[in-house]
Amino acid sequence: QQQVRQSPQSLTVWEGETAILNCSYEDSTFDYFPWYWQFPRESPALLIAIRPVSNKKEDGRFTIFFNKREKKLSLHITDSQPGDSATYFCAANQGGSAKLIFGEGTKLTVSS
Amino acid sequence: GPKVLQIPSHQIIDMGQMVTLNCDPVSNHLYFYWYKQILGQQMEFLVNFYNGKVMEKSKLFKDQFSVERPDGSYFTLKIQPTALEDSAVYFCASSLVQGEQYFGPGTRLTVL
Repeated sequence: QQQVRQSPQSLTVWEGETAILNCSYEDSTFDYFPWYWQFPRESPALLIAIRPVSNKKEDGRFTIFFNKREKKLSLHITDSQPGDSATYFCAANQGGSAKLIFGEGTKLTVSS
Repeated sequence: GPKVLQIPSHQIIDMGQMVTLNCDPVSNHLYFYWYKQILGQQMEFLVNFYNGKVMEKSKLFKDQFSVERPDGSYFTLKIQPTALEDSAVYFCASSLVQGEQYFGPGTRLTVL
């Protein structure tokens, strides 16, 4: 059973547009949600993260919107740049456990 | 940001041989992890290690797998014997606290 799901599988936007990446989860005990981005043949890098005490977390052009009731979150990338082209993974962690559970990823392509 | 190093970057071995993957975690981090990523798929948790002990492991962490970090040196993942299905990229991660994990560049293991 896939505990963290992401959509779409792939997304193409034009430079300057806002990209919206979606994530949903099953387990209501998850209490930490990091987003990682991964460039081809590189390691995943922590981009931004949120805890359920907040419904929004912003860092520059990257914003997480969190809906605890619906168990959904989304990553918004405003003013998308070609350098943002990567695979984005939503992950979840539950208190008392150290492991991260990753979604399948969304491959974002920003065209200029 | 914090850097996790992994050695080697690529390892090719024959099925049935033993392999050791090495990880140099961030110096003050206390939690260590291994994840497995098959090409094009999400990363899957294998094991986490804290205070000299395995804390959690997944069903992917077969009996042929073992981890250790002798005297604060490399954090290692040993597979003995290897099988064809062990071919994947193995990512090491470390964290100071549970949740905020930093990943290394990965070791691509090819079992022939």
